[in-house]
Amino acid sequence: DQQVKQNSPSLSVQEGRISILNCDYTNSMFDYFLWYKKYPAEGPTFLISISSIKDKNEDGRFTVFLNKSAKHLSLHIVPSQPGDSAVYFCAESTGNTGKLIFGQGTTLQVKP
Amino acid sequence: NAGVTQTPKFQVLKTGQSMTLQCAQDMNHEYMSWYRQDPGMGLRLIHYSVGAGITDQGEVPNGYNVSRSTTEDFPLRLLSAAPSQTSVYFCASTKDRGMNTEAFFGQGTRLTVV
Repeated sequence: DQQVKQNSPSLSVQEGRISILNCDYTNSMFDYFLWYKKYPAEGPTFLISISSIKDKNEDGRFTVFLNKSAKHLSLHIVPSQPGDSAVYFCAESTGNTGKLIFGQGTTLQVKP
Repeated sequence: NAGVTQTPKFQVLKTGQSMTLQCAQDMNHEYMSWYRQDPGMGLRLIHYSVGAGITDQGEVPNGYNVSRSTTEDFPLRLLSAAPSQTSVYFCASTKDRGMNTEAFFGQGTRLTVV
């Protein structure tokens, strides 16, 4: 029973265009949502997060949107660059334990 | 700036063998956790620790043991390896109780059980 779902295993976009990665969740009790980026043969690295009391958080080219009524969040990358090609995981933070619940991941390919 | 260090990077085990995956962090983080990454499954939490001497189970704890005798180290033990434990394992540490606090991950251990 997947609490966090990324229904698109892969996404391909052209350099300079917008990349939109989506994530759905089932548990309304989560307070924070995070996005991680992972290159091959490396551990995931933190990208951006959003609190459930907000609907948008922006950091440079990366913006995360949260729609609580739809239990949906998305990560927008504008403009996309070839170096953004990686696997992106959304995650929910649960309680004061430091543990995360991850989605399945979406592989983004940005073509030059 | 070591961060989170995992050893070994690669390991091949025979079914029934035991081994310990090592994880050490030098950031004085309270919270540490182990995840496994499998194709199409994302990262799934195996065990986690909120401080020295305290551990708890995650989503997929069966077949794994952990202990946390020091703040720095959080080893993961496979007592009797099974092919289903073939995976990439990641250790992570988190600074504090804040739910938005980012986790720092090691580079992973690729384990194959034959």
